[in-house]
Amino acid sequence: ELKVEQNPLFLSMQEGKNYTIYCNYSTTSDRLYWYRQDPGKSLESLFVLLSNGAVKQEGRLMASLDTKARLSTLHITAAVHDLSATYFCAVGNSYNTDKLIFGTGTRLQVFP
Amino acid sequence: DADVTQTPRNRITKTGKRIMLECSQTKGHDRMYWYRQDPGLGLRLIYYSFDVKDINKGEISDGYSVSRQAQAKFSLSLESAIPNQTALYFCATSDSRTGPTQYFGPGTRLTVL
Repeated sequence: ELKVEQNPLFLSMQEGKNYTIYCNYSTTSDRLYWYRQDPGKSLESLFVLLSNGAVKQEGRLMASLDTKARLSTLHITAAVHDLSATYFCAVGNSYNTDKLIFGTGTRLQVFP
Repeated sequence: DADVTQTPRNRITKTGKRIMLECSQTKGHDRMYWYRQDPGLGLRLIYYSFDVKDINKGEISDGYSVSRQAQAKFSLSLESAIPNQTALYFCATSDSRTGPTQYFGPGTRLTVL
């Protein structure tokens, strides 16, 4: 059974600092997603990672995938308040890659 | 206009009532999904549909049913609502031709008293 774990669950960080959110999953998959959710809002797609070693960057966010370690990271560079949100990773089931299993989310709060 | 819409956005109902949540999309996507979100548990897949004639159970389908009335419409029903079905419900779509990303609707907040 595929399980997805994120850590930390809550992250409070100062503006300008760097930090990494980790997403571990338990069985083979080569499809990993990162989503952002603002309070009371829907989920917004950030990245889709489709192969081992994939790296994608958008602004201050960079995501990577290591399928051998079953690990994805979301790195935040020089955080700003606008990045405050909850970040979810989701992994596609190896038999049915559209059947996503979500992590519990990391609530990020960036303060001045 | 939003590409994926959900109605109603908020609903309060009583235990034992039948409830239908509706999802419509103008993205032309063939695949549609229903998820529920509970605090501390992330999102869990209830049902998904790859085309009008294809319906599949997700992680937590018990107590729910779905109907794919057309490519653009996918409804979720709670035949007899119970309090532990209180949650935020999201519809999502994806396109088998263009890529794996799932696009989410705005959500329906359902409260069962």
